[in-house]
Amino acid sequence: EPEVTQTPSHQVTQMGQEVILRCVPISNHLYFYWYRQILGQKVEFLVSFYNNEISEKSEIFDDQFSVERPDGSNFTLKIRSTKLEDSAMYFCASRKTGVGTDTQYFGPGTRLTVL
Amino acid sequence: AQSVTQLGSHVSVSEGALVLLRCNYSSSVPPYLFWYVQYPNQGLQLLLKYTTGATLVKGINGFEAEFKKSETSFHLTKPSAHMSDAAEYFCAVNTQGGSEKLVFGKGTKLTVNP
Repeated sequence: EPEVTQTPSHQVTQMGQEVILRCVPISNHLYFYWYRQILGQKVEFLVSFYNNEISEKSEIFDDQFSVERPDGSNFTLKIRSTKLEDSAMYFCASRKTGVGTDTQYFGPGTRLTVL
Repeated sequence: AQSVTQLGSHVSVSEGALVLLRCNYSSSVPPYLFWYVQYPNQGLQLLLKYTTGATLVKGINGFEAEFKKSETSFHLTKPSAHMSDAAEYFCAVNTQGGSEKLVFGKGTKLTVNP
């Protein structure tokens, strides 16, 4: 069964450094998402991406964040200058589009630790 | 705006006992509701969902949930808990329209005691 994959599983970085989190969505899916989960808190929506552009973003998703689909398979989240409070588990998700395609499929997550 | 409230951040049951995890939602439109499970050090796996039609939905691993519009609830149940059910469970509502992002509850950690 196809699944969403994410790399790396764990990333440790110094405050102020740039990080890129990578995701490979399910191949015939067209809608992509990033969510994050700070330890002990709820899963929060960051951004959605469709047709090569951001379709919606949360207030968390400020100018330090960007997303890109550099090729036909990868979907990336970049944090330009990491802060301590960016430490969290980041989940990528994807779904098809059209009637009855409401289910988002999640990857295993990347745990980001900012020191 | 949609929101989800999960009552009880921790629930502990004995193996073989009934599992009941509570979820209440707020939505200005007919909701699409989901339960996801997160096993330790893993991602989110869909357990079941309600979109339209039958209000009692069955999912994987023997779980089911009933959509009750009058109570704005979507509680998750399983008749007999198994040790392997120990995990964190998240209820979510789909915002519908636009990107259809998911709004999650805070999660309920289920412990199953032998």
